[in-house]
Amino acid sequence: EVQLVESGGGLVQPGGSLRLSCAASGFTFSDHYMDWVRQAPGKGLEWVGRSRDKGKRYTTDYAASVKGRFTISRDDSTNSLFLQMNSLKTEDTAVYHCVRAKSDSGSRHFDYWGQGTLVTVSS
Amino acid sequence: QSVLTQPPSASGTPGQRVTISCSGSSSNIGTKIVNWYQQLPGTAPKLLIYSDNQRPSGVPDRFSGSKSGTSASLAISGLQSEDEADYYCAAWDDSLNVVVFGGGTKLTVL
Repeated sequence: EVQLVESGGGLVQPGGSLRLSCAASGFTFSDHYMDWVRQAPGKGLEWVGRSRDKGKRYTTDYAASVKGRFTISRDDSTNSLFLQMNSLKTEDTAVYHCVRAKSDSGSRHFDYWGQGTLVTVSS
Repeated sequence: QSVLTQPPSASGTPGQRVTISCSGSSSNIGTKIVNWYQQLPGTAPKLLIYSDNQRPSGVPDRFSGSKSGTSASLAISGLQSEDEADYYCAAWDDSLNVVVFGGGTKLTVL
């Protein structure tokens, strides 16, 4: 059974940093692209960024709203995905979901989602 | 302002057929596949339709997806009370190099 479990959320002051983790199990983690998607309270879904697999040299892409502040990394030896968030702003307050981006004939879809971890940026 | 445009709300009565639209551009829906996600109240989103019109195993065939040009649609036939949820379309955008989501449509079963 595929499982994605996020951790590391909490309350942080504006300008602060936080590191989220996602523990994956039930599938070959190293074979998959992994993404982060967030949802601000009462708002819609917003894509945060992507980590590609070893075959694509672990390259990453980010939403414009977080580029330069957030960094996605992964450790295939421990089946873990990370999101380092720096220079946090109040508008980064959201539930952050770890998602598996499954390939299908060259395109991708999010077939598994973690329950999410809440990040609150407030003074 | 979302790159993909969805109506904020939709409604129908049990048994009815409803459709939710998703409008984009040539850099996303026009050239890339569309996926749809369902988010029941208080839960994480779930994949509903992928690659424009494919249903993952376990998704009832009451749900169907289609695409024409730069627009996509999700249709739900035989509406049931448990279909009350938020629905989101998504696609990769080749110009922005990001995944873009629609703003979401809240479906109410009257």
